[in-house]
Amino acid sequence: EAAVTQSPRNKVAVTGGKVTLSCNQTNNHNNMYWYRQDTGHGLRLIHYSYGAGSTEKGDIPDGYKASRPSQENFSLILELATPSQTSVYFCASGDAQFNERLFFGHGTKLSVL
Amino acid sequence: GDSVTQTEGQVALSEEDFLTIHCNYSASGYPALFWYVQYPGEGPQFLFRASRDKEKGSSRGFEATYDKGTTSFHLRKASVQESDSAVYYCALGRGSALGRLHFGAGTQLIVIP
Repeated sequence: EAAVTQSPRNKVAVTGGKVTLSCNQTNNHNNMYWYRQDTGHGLRLIHYSYGAGSTEKGDIPDGYKASRPSQENFSLILELATPSQTSVYFCASGDAQFNERLFFGHGTKLSVL
Repeated sequence: GDSVTQTEGQVALSEEDFLTIHCNYSASGYPALFWYVQYPGEGPQFLFRASRDKEKGSSRGFEATYDKGTTSFHLRKASVQESDSAVYYCALGRGSALGRLHFGAGTQLIVIP
């Protein structure tokens, strides 16, 4: 079974601080994604990547950066965290050979105070 | 732009009831349509997808038929069980970027034993 692991599971940050959310996948999938989940909005795409060294903006990229240093790892970076970024963040991996069925991690609950 | 609408925020049923969760989409052409299910404390899990008009997707007793005429992809199950209690998301993806999904707001299904 495909595996996507996120860390940390929970994070409390202060306004203006830097936050890094990490994601590791053992599926050898080319594509990785960061979504945030908010009540009333479902999941919304922040950044995605087609492979090591590449990152692309999703639908709501403002205030976020992404980094894909290797096939397995994909990070989401909040340089200056704000309370509006309080949310649950999900990482996912997928590949064309699986018709882009996405495999999600368990999520990171981020609270920015 | 592309969008997905789920009209029911919450559905409460008794075991063995028939389930319908409505999903309508707004998009040009023929997007791929997906259903994902999310259990408490977990990330969303792929349920099934359909890519063409009149194509039926199905899994675990759930099914939905792609209807371009009514721009719908309603989720149905003949007889729900308590274990089906979860949040169900309808989503839309396109062409070579199927992992870049537009999700609906989600529908929480509560099945009362």
